[in-house]
Amino acid sequence: EAQVTQNPRYLITVTGKKLTVTCSQNMNHEYMSWYRQDPGLGLRQIYYSMNVEVTDKGDVPEGYKVSRKEKRNFPLILESPSPNQTSLYFCASSLAASNQPQHFGDGTRLSIL
Amino acid sequence: EDQVTQSPEALRLQEGESSSLNCSYTVSGLRGLFWYRQDPGKGPEFLFTLYSAGEEKEKERLKATLTKKESFLHITAPKPEDSATYLCAVQADSNDYKLSFGAGTTVTVRA
Repeated sequence: EAQVTQNPRYLITVTGKKLTVTCSQNMNHEYMSWYRQDPGLGLRQIYYSMNVEVTDKGDVPEGYKVSRKEKRNFPLILESPSPNQTSLYFCASSLAASNQPQHFGDGTRLSIL
Repeated sequence: EDQVTQSPEALRLQEGESSSLNCSYTVSGLRGLFWYRQDPGKGPEFLFTLYSAGEEKEKERLKATLTKKESFLHITAPKPEDSATYLCAVQADSNDYKLSFGAGTTVTVRA
């Protein structure tokens, strides 16, 4: 089954404790992206990747890091999480960046205390 | 900067009561407009892509239309299973690597 898999689905942690949210897709997609979803603000792009070893900032990259060492994986790293990063996070992938529907994972709910 | 505004924020319908959702956008050259459906606890699920004014697409009880400034998602004779949040997103010619999303319209259909 074609899918985007995120882990963990839920995480409660404390300020400053490094964490990684993994994202994996099995569709051989070139393009991958991370979003955060906050009430009233919609989905906002954090980082994206056009292909292996090619990443760039989205609209809200502060406090986040990403890497794309393999085509299928695109982890999101919070080196020193803060309470304002409490949010619902989604990973997405598509065949290419342009004119292709993005396939989303089921989300990771992060709470930073 | 690309902007997407959806209205209303929430819509409560009786089963069978048709209605429309609005997505207004400002973008410097539209590459594509996307509609997604999001159920609670799930990621957005792709519905339609529209590329040019006048284009229409249909899927079951849903029909999406596009003008130069806005898109409508028409729900005809909705059923309770159509209850979800509907998201609109645009992709611009100048930023074809990203989608800019609206905040969504939450539709509740009562039996």
